[in-house]
Amino acid sequence: AQSVSQHNHHVILSEAASLELGCNYSYGGTVNLFWYVQYPGQHLQLLLKYFSGDPLVKGIKGFEAEFIKSKFSFNLRKPSVQWSDTAEYFCATEGGDYKLSFGAGTTVTVRA
Amino acid sequence: DTGVSQDPRHKITKRGQNVTFRCDPISEHNRLYWYRQTLGQGPEFLTYFQNEAQLEKSRLLSDRFSAERPKGSFSTLEIQRTEQGDSAMYLCASSSRRGGGSNTGELFFGEGSRLTVL
Repeated sequence: AQSVSQHNHHVILSEAASLELGCNYSYGGTVNLFWYVQYPGQHLQLLLKYFSGDPLVKGIKGFEAEFIKSKFSFNLRKPSVQWSDTAEYFCATEGGDYKLSFGAGTTVTVRA
Repeated sequence: DTGVSQDPRHKITKRGQNVTFRCDPISEHNRLYWYRQTLGQGPEFLTYFQNEAQLEKSRLLSDRFSAERPKGSFSTLEIQRTEQGDSAMYLCASSSRRGGGSNTGELFFGEGSRLTVL
């Protein structure tokens, strides 16, 4: 069975600071990896996804993530955050069974 | 708005009552998923449909829970004899499957139906 671990429960940072959110998964086979974001009062939406190819994936709003197979990691990064990046971020995996397994999420608060 | 819609958005009920949630997926999507989310946790998979067929049910889905997708379009999730532990956000998502067997993998979520059981 797949499982996803997100390292931080709550991150607080100032505007223009860099952000990195950790995600580790446990699954021995081929996985598809995702980061979803949920802005306050809104539905979950996809930030970026990795299926294969270049392990550095670029998503919307300046986010990127790097797949490191040897570390079973898929960390999310943004060089300079904005107040509007305040949200909850979820890492998820899909192991060919057509359903996503989500981590517990990281709440990011960006202070102006 | 042509996204996934869920109804009702909020439901407050007394323990022991039955509740039903409806989900209307994106029209061309053939897969429909139900997830449950509680405070401080990520969404947990409950069940999913491909067209009208229910292909998998999580062990989280007790006998009091039933989901249907009668014509492969909208879906309902019914909870019978609700318990306080059923209080959660119930999320519906849909996705499409590309020709040739590959799956886009991306789920499109609705805004959820929040259930409070008193």
